[in-house]
Amino acid sequence: EPEVTQTPSHQVTQMGQEVILRCVPISNHLYFYWYRQILGQKVEFLVSFYNNEISEKSEIFDDQFSVERPDGSNFTLKIRSTKLEDSAMYFCASKGAAQPQHFGDGTRLSIL
Amino acid sequence: EDQVTQSPEALRLQEGESSSLNCSYTVSGLRGLFWYRQDPGKGPEFLFTLYSAGEEKEKERLKATLTKKESFLHITAPKPEDSATYLCAVQARGGADGLTFGKGTHLIIQP
Repeated sequence: EPEVTQTPSHQVTQMGQEVILRCVPISNHLYFYWYRQILGQKVEFLVSFYNNEISEKSEIFDDQFSVERPDGSNFTLKIRSTKLEDSAMYFCASKGAAQPQHFGDGTRLSIL
Repeated sequence: EDQVTQSPEALRLQEGESSSLNCSYTVSGLRGLFWYRQDPGKGPEFLFTLYSAGEEKEKERLKATLTKKESFLHITAPKPEDSATYLCAVQARGGADGLTFGKGTHLIIQP
């Protein structure tokens, strides 16, 4: 069964550094998403992306965040200057038209 | 603001002991309500989508139902492999595409 793949599974970064989280969505999907889950809290929506542009973003997705689909298979989330409070699990999701979102297994981001 | 509240936070059952998980929601026009299962260290795994009050979906030992204010996930004769955190999420109408999740119910099925 096709699945969403995320790399790395765990990323450790110094505060203030830039980090890029990578996702390979399911191949025929057109809608892409990033969510985060701080330890012990809810899964929170960050951003949705369709037709090479952001379609919706939450209040969490401020100027330090950006997303990109650099080629036909990858979808990335960049955090420009990481803060301690960015430590969380980051999940990528994708879906086709009129389908539910399917999630990857996440990247655990640890900011030191 | 869309809100999802799940109860109980945690539930421990004996194998074969049926029960229900609750998801109460407030949303400005419901486009869909989703149930996901999340195992430790994994991403949410899709289970069901419900679109309108009165709708029911079933898969193996799980059945999801929907009213105008809440959804239930009924688990019949559960097995230890059903142990997981069950997440409820809503999607609002009007173009908003992101899901609003509840905190989940952590279910443990003891053999």
